[in-house]
Amino acid sequence: KAGVTQTPRYLIKTRGQQVTLSCSPISGHRSVSWYQQTPGQGLQFLFEYFSETQRNKGNFPGRFSGRQFSNSRSEMNVSTLELGDSALYLCASSSYGYSYEQYFGPGTRLTVT
Amino acid sequence: SQQGEEDPQALSIQEGENATMNCSYKTSINNLQWYRQNSGRGLVHLILIRSNEREKHSGRLRVTLDTSKKSSSLLITASRAADTASYFCATDADDMRFGAGTRLTVKP
Repeated sequence: KAGVTQTPRYLIKTRGQQVTLSCSPISGHRSVSWYQQTPGQGLQFLFEYFSETQRNKGNFPGRFSGRQFSNSRSEMNVSTLELGDSALYLCASSSYGYSYEQYFGPGTRLTVT
Repeated sequence: SQQGEEDPQALSIQEGENATMNCSYKTSINNLQWYRQNSGRGLVHLILIRSNEREKHSGRLRVTLDTSKKSSSLLITASRAADTASYFCATDADDMRFGAGTRLTVKP
């Protein structure tokens, strides 16, 4: 089985712009979760989608949003980028949800200047 | 915010030695998971222990869970240089929380 893929792998944006990141889960997995990883805050949960529905959400402002399509692929959008949004964004897929084994993608490294 | 806190923050050992990492968390959980992250393979799931389990083994890994103390430990036996990585515990209380991680260095 192919692993979790994320595109793009690297991204440089300017403050105030918006960005969309994409995640393709392992075939058959219905759960996709998104995480932000920074040196200061570590790994933080953004949200989880299961069968196109947002099932849970972390403590992030409304500028962070996501969606999941019928083929389980997911996108994450960040609007009005701030310097503090610079991070590694990881998505993970799972058969049943984040409470169970998750398979992580390589991440998208976002730099906001 | 993070639910789990790993201890120690960093650990350096020789190949062949055992490594023990601890994790504490704050609220009731369903499952606790351990993950490893290194630059080569990204974040990889190691083992899951359910809240009604006390101990679990997988190869050279042994995980214990004490729900009364809200703590877990990960033991890696006979460590190898390839075990050099950061190790995170993750809990699923209200949402998914990762600890700050333990940075393990195994010297050949």
